[in-house]
Amino acid sequence: NAGVTQTPKFQVLKTGQSMTLQCAQDMNHNSMYWYRQDPGMGLRLIYYSASEGTTDKGEVPNGYNVSRLNKREFSLRLESAAPSQTSVYFCASSENYSPLHFGNGTRLTVT
Amino acid sequence: DQQVKQNSPSLSVQEGRISILNCDYTNSMFDYFLWYKKYPAEGPTFLISISSIKDKNEDGRFTVFLNKSAKHLSLHIVPSQPGDSAVYFCAASARVRGAQKLVFGQGTRLTINP
Repeated sequence: NAGVTQTPKFQVLKTGQSMTLQCAQDMNHNSMYWYRQDPGMGLRLIYYSASEGTTDKGEVPNGYNVSRLNKREFSLRLESAAPSQTSVYFCASSENYSPLHFGNGTRLTVT
Repeated sequence: DQQVKQNSPSLSVQEGRISILNCDYTNSMFDYFLWYKKYPAEGPTFLISISSIKDKNEDGRFTVFLNKSAKHLSLHIVPSQPGDSAVYFCAASARVRGAQKLVFGQGTRLTINP
């Protein structure tokens, strides 16, 4: 039982490159989320999906797009990476207002 | 505008003593609060929560207190153990169509000294 799995674990991009962060959960949860964590700022919500087929913006959505591919998978895309997007990205899932379960994160560096 | 604040970036406590971590929030619409624990290179893991209709919730060594009039919550760990050394985040919840949009504080790094 893996819980929430994120790939890749580490990534280095050059400014302007694009990439997709992948997230999959095996707990049959309806809701999924993407957060970023920066030093001294806690975790901030980028996008979330309350249920399959829906996505909504969070606190810091600019520069990102998401796709809820199916109930298990929720991907985060950076179309044109910027140094300000250097961060640790966490995916999470939850069911019916239960506490969020987080993956172990993707550490992204944009040079 | 930081809606959830943890004003102590770090805290050092002796093993066996009580650890008290504090958190303040500004939005009275929050009705559910959580504490998460995070080890390096891992994701946050859920520790304990409290609904706004309660003022205390206890789970083993962990107790969360909520003071709604002061918009303040605290996490008490007693007795503190070396394995409790981690970063602790408080979070406030806004519920939307079955999802929980969590707003996190900046975190407090707790170090338990033997």
